[in-house]
Amino acid sequence: QVQLQESGPGLVKPSQTLSLTCTVSGGSISSGDYYWSWIRQPPGKGLEWIGYIYYSGSTYYNPSLKSRVTISVDTSKNQFSLKLSSVTAADTAVYYCARNRRHDSSGYYYAFDYWGQGTLVTVSS
Amino acid sequence: DIQMTQSPSSLSASVGDRVTITCQASQDISNYLNWYQQKPGKAPKLLIYDASNLETGVPSRFSGSGSGTDFTFTISSLQPEDIATYYCQQYDNLPLYTFGQGTKLEIK
Repeated sequence: QVQLQESGPGLVKPSQTLSLTCTVSGGSISSGDYYWSWIRQPPGKGLEWIGYIYYSGSTYYNPSLKSRVTISVDTSKNQFSLKLSSVTAADTAVYYCARNRRHDSSGYYYAFDYWGQGTLVTVSS
Repeated sequence: DIQMTQSPSSLSASVGDRVTITCQASQDISNYLNWYQQKPGKAPKLLIYDASNLETGVPSRFSGSGSGTDFTFTISSLQPEDIATYYCQQYDNLPLYTFGQGTKLEIK
């Protein structure tokens, strides 16, 4: 059974960089059948996809956050990480890591089938 | 960008009721749509993929239909454990994934 677990500081000061790590267990992050994503949810609001990484290191970011986001992968530790720079109160949210699986027929990476439990990050001085 | 609009934003129903939620895309997305259930304080869970396919292990009272711009999610007989917020998600405009704003379902 695949499990994902987020870790990192729960409080970040404005203008600083938010850093989170997702540890994957029960499966290899190096499987070519999956992308690995970060998704966030401000308190009481909906879901926003932040970006994904492939085990090879290729990435794609939501254009709305692209200038501030970096996602990296460490296959030796079966982990991937998120950095979000120049944070403001608007970045306060529960941050989830999730697995995108590949569609059998189309080859698209299309659905988030496993999620971490989420971690609340508050931006405040 | 493709916008996903869900309706209603919230609804209240009784145990045993048939419940329907709709999701409208701002442009044709074929059947490239998934549905998720999010219980309070929990991560979302994938229920339906490709608009109408039930994820393994998901009860058969859940179903989805539609294609193009208009999609429907149905619970045939509402159970107390179905209290949650439901989200649609499109994957036509890859690699950008977008979600609907959510529909909060409560028991009457």
